Amino acid sequence: DSGVTQTPKHLITATGQRVTLRCSPRSGDLSVYWYQQSLDQGLQFLIQYYNGEERAKGNILERFSAQQFPDLHSELNLSSLELGDSALYFCASSVGGASQGYEQYFGPGTRLTVT
Amino acid sequence: AQSVAQPEDQVNVAEGNPLTVKCTYSVSGNPYLFWYVQYPNRGLQFLLKYITGDNLVKGSYGFEAEFNKSQTSFHLKKPSALVSDSALYFCAVRDMGGGSSNTGKLIFGQGTTLQVKP
Repeated sequence: DSGVTQTPKHLITATGQRVTLRCSPRSGDLSVYWYQQSLDQGLQFLIQYYNGEERAKGNILERFSAQQFPDLHSELNLSSLELGDSALYFCASSVGGASQGYEQYFGPGTRLTVT
Repeated sequence: AQSVAQPEDQVNVAEGNPLTVKCTYSVSGNPYLFWYVQYPNRGLQFLLKYITGDNLVKGSYGFEAEFNKSQTSFHLKKPSALVSDSALYFCAVRDMGGGSSNTGKLIFGQGTTLQVKP
């Protein structure tokens, strides 16, 4: 158990809908990262937050957004869903700071199926 | 651009034999390198990392990795494979772009499936 929790584990929804994925980082970790894993794209970085502020953005679609709350949990919002958004979405956390070595601890993931 | 390559989609070894999962990287500057393992329907588990220091890094479950700067490689190794090591293995490099010391996004290879047969 990495200490990172994600809910829900599975999500099935229809095209055009909106969903919210939730992540709680390990205790003490300030950075939260979101990744998308799909068969054709592999593991792709989406976005990073550090202590409530957006730090880095990757290949995140405009239909997707995220935020990190004062208690450090994070939510990834996916809207106007398309079939191609079906994937496994991972949250990871790390202490942050260049001196810490930067290993990230991953949650179990949310499997999103868009029908 | 920074990148990681895992040249083998699948590696097959017999239980008890040594295993190697290959990884090469391309970064500007000194790399921060990582190995993760993913079991079916599970998240990624951190195995080991190279930041600086000894080229041979020891990690979890008896795995180790050898950093080779001249060959830009970071191969994962284990002296004696177990059937339970069968999983998907990812090599990753920390993205060094952006200039902020608090940016630590990882760039992953495509993954290598390790199959250990009894």
